[in-house]
Amino acid sequence: GAVVSQHPSRVICKSGTSVKIECRSLDFQATTMFWYRQFPKQSLMLMATSNEGSKATYEQGVEKDKFLINHASLTLSTLTVTSAHPEDSSFYICSADTRQINEKLFFGSGTQLSVL
Amino acid sequence: AQSVSQHNHHVILSEAASLELGCNYSYGGTVNLFWYVQYPGQHLQLLLKYFSGDPLVKGIKGFEAEFIKSKFSFNLRKPSVQWSDTAEYFCAVTPYNTDKLIFGTGTRLQVFP
Repeated sequence: GAVVSQHPSRVICKSGTSVKIECRSLDFQATTMFWYRQFPKQSLMLMATSNEGSKATYEQGVEKDKFLINHASLTLSTLTVTSAHPEDSSFYICSADTRQINEKLFFGSGTQLSVL
Repeated sequence: AQSVSQHNHHVILSEAASLELGCNYSYGGTVNLFWYVQYPGQHLQLLLKYFSGDPLVKGIKGFEAEFIKSKFSFNLRKPSVQWSDTAEYFCAVTPYNTDKLIFGTGTRLQVFP
């Protein structure tokens, strides 16, 4: 079946540094990728919708200059958390949508970000 | 291996039929449980969640789920489905002492008028 690879699975960084998270669709073309974050004991929150070749659409309250999303190809989307702070510590997960397999959504394995 | 299992990969129903989608997990200890839905062309949305308390949880759009700890299950139910319920449904678990969300593989529901 289709696979979405997300890296890294865990990252610990110092406050003020930037962290890049990659989301790759390994055997299909993802026309749309979604980025979510989850705080402890809460449900997923959609951060942005990323379409290949165009600017991402951010949800209300999500800082686009803070969370840079690039969807440069049909198989890769990246989320960069710029100048990370402890409050950015969270679980980030991507999902990839394809119009080729009955519009099924596939999830990455997630990235646990801890900012010290 | 620890996992979240959704045994129904594809379910086809007629309108007004009752729905039950299975979800089983293999993590011990306290867990948080979720059901999400993705309608065609849309992003994931939360249907309902269980953290503690009453094991019968009611969500949006007439959905409910029951947490049965002894069976490690969190099945989703709806007494009477509608055509608009056609979507992909995902069960997810946050195991004890972790923030990681583990998804099942999803169940595609098709409801015909």
